[in-house]
Amino acid sequence: AAGVIQSPRHLIKEKRETATLKCYPIPRHDTVYWYQQGPGQDPQFLISFYEKMQSDKGSIPDRFSAQQFSDYHSELNMSSLELGDSALYFCASSSPSQPVGGYTFGSGTRLTVV
Amino acid sequence: QKEVEQNSGPLSVPEGAIASLNCTYSDRGSQSFFWYRQYSGKSPELIMSIYSNGDKEDGRFTAQLNKASQYVSLLIRDSQPSDSATYLCAVSGVTGANSKLTFGKGITLSVRP
Repeated sequence: AAGVIQSPRHLIKEKRETATLKCYPIPRHDTVYWYQQGPGQDPQFLISFYEKMQSDKGSIPDRFSAQQFSDYHSELNMSSLELGDSALYFCASSSPSQPVGGYTFGSGTRLTVV
Repeated sequence: QKEVEQNSGPLSVPEGAIASLNCTYSDRGSQSFFWYRQYSGKSPELIMSIYSNGDKEDGRFTAQLNKASQYVSLLIRDSQPSDSATYLCAVSGVTGANSKLTFGKGITLSVRP
């Protein structure tokens, strides 16, 4: 079965650079969530999109922005990167037919800021 | 106070034993509760969901929910070394679809052969 695809798997950036993470949801899933997980930390909700509109917003820094495109894929844009942005970034997708919270996570993008 | 607390851990049990993982949450309006398993460096994987008070069993896993006590637990019977992972408790405030989750910090379980 198709899963949530995230790219790239690994990314190394320098401070103050910009990064773009991509997420391709499971086909026919209309909602995408982004989570950030620092080393030894729990996943923190960043932002979600439903039908290409932002549906909820969490602890996402102003330096970050995201959008969902017409094909339902989503991109998380991160600017002025800081060392503290180093983390695993997970994307998850869901559809209305799924039970609440039963969404599927992608394999994640490991961002390292040096 | 963190919204979802998982204070015990790390937890080590011998193979074949029962592992008991506990979680409390602060928002009484929470409606949906989940246990995710996460291997190191991997993404969380949903293993159990529970929405009403009582027990829910799925294979070797049993989730227990007590909304009055704001407490949810996960029991793993006949623990296997492959169960060694971090277990994340997660809570959602709504019953509808498309809802964000609030995670606890996780409990690291180690099953000794």
